[in-house]
Amino acid sequence: AQSVAQPEDQVNVAEGNPLTVKCTYSVSGNPYLFWYVQYPNRGLQFLLKYITGDNLVKGSYGFEAEFNKSQTSFHLKKPSALVSDSALYFCAVRDTQYGNNRLAFGKGNQVVVIP
Amino acid sequence: KAGVTQTPRYLIKTRGQQVTLSCSPISGHRSVSWYQQTPGQGLQFLFEYFSETQRNKGNFPGRFSGRQFSNSRSEMNVSTLELGDSALYLCASSLDDNEQFFGPGTRLTVL
Repeated sequence: AQSVAQPEDQVNVAEGNPLTVKCTYSVSGNPYLFWYVQYPNRGLQFLLKYITGDNLVKGSYGFEAEFNKSQTSFHLKKPSALVSDSALYFCAVRDTQYGNNRLAFGKGNQVVVIP
Repeated sequence: KAGVTQTPRYLIKTRGQQVTLSCSPISGHRSVSWYQQTPGQGLQFLFEYFSETQRNKGNFPGRFSGRQFSNSRSEMNVSTLELGDSALYLCASSLDDNEQFFGPGTRLTVL
């Protein structure tokens, strides 16, 4: 079964500092990996994805993530955090072994950017 | 293009009642998935519909059901509501088998 682990409950970072949110995954086949962000009382907003190709993927709002197959990781990064980046971040994986869109999500990381 | 829309946005029901939630996907998207979000369990997959057929189902009791219409709009139904069904129910649509786009959710409160 596919699964995702986001080991930290909350990530605190000062404004202007680099931001990293960690994610590791487990699948039987090849993974499709995604990052989503959720603001209070809102749905999930797509940030970026890894399907195939270059291990470093760039997404919306200056975010990027690096796919590492040997470590089964897909950490989200941003070089310089903004206060407006404070939100709940979810990593998700789809196992391409199965012909459907079922996503397994991590528990989420609350990111707090301190002014 | 308009995004994924969900109605209603908020619902209050009592135990034992049933509820129907609606989701309109992005135009042209044929896949619609439903997820339940709670503070304790996080985001859990309910089911996915593709071209009016249920393609996958999560580990939820039979009280949770869904369907998809020919225009790709989808509904989910929860019968005999329990307190633990209180959650944010999210619908997502997808054009192909890549990223899913989520609606704002329906906040269900069961009293």
